[in-house]
Amino acid sequence: DVKVTQSSRYLVKRTGEKVFLECVQDMDHENMFWYRQDPGLGLRLIYFSYDVKMKEKGDIPEGYSVSREKKERFSLILESASTNQTSMYLCASSLGTGGSGANVLTFGAGSRLTVL
Amino acid sequence: AQSVAQPEDQVNVAEGNPLTVKCTYSVSGNPYLFWYVQYPNRGLQFLLKYITGDNLVKGSYGFEAEFNKSQTSFHLKKPSALVSDSALYFCAVRPRGDYKLSFGAGTTVTVRA
Repeated sequence: DVKVTQSSRYLVKRTGEKVFLECVQDMDHENMFWYRQDPGLGLRLIYFSYDVKMKEKGDIPEGYSVSREKKERFSLILESASTNQTSMYLCASSLGTGGSGANVLTFGAGSRLTVL
Repeated sequence: AQSVAQPEDQVNVAEGNPLTVKCTYSVSGNPYLFWYVQYPNRGLQFLLKYITGDNLVKGSYGFEAEFNKSQTSFHLKKPSALVSDSALYFCAVRPRGDYKLSFGAGTTVTVRA
């Protein structure tokens, strides 16, 4: 019954390393999102994608990039990891908007990244 | 700019008592409003949403939420809390015609037996 799968639950990386966080959904959703969750700050949107090869910056895109080559897969890339990127990263997907902005997000279990 | 405020970091209630988790928002127009819950070591799960119509929305696990346009609030309620309701609750808002869903900072609910 798994719908949004994040490839790694826990990662430990060193400062300066390139980090890939992978997310796959099996619901044929158009929209995919990457959030980071930090205590006291809630969820903050990093990037989202409303179609293959399309992406839009969220509230905190600095230090991150994304890739969406296939509809079901949305990758978050940290080009050069820093300690302030230690966080829980949540991937989500939803059906396209086009008037259906009330569509619900389905979240993955999260990837907890620690940068040393 | 849109924002969502959850004024209480923590809410503590006894089992069987009513539970209220507060949320206010500042978004132009008539946004869509959501509540999500995160149980320990699990991903976020959808609870309920307000689109239009009746101001009282019923959702999963016996939760409901009341939309108040004049106060721009969308408080989550449960008439009789259970210990299993202990979790982190997030309010979220999306302007109509926008992809972006903005979340509040979250409220930790602890229900004691």
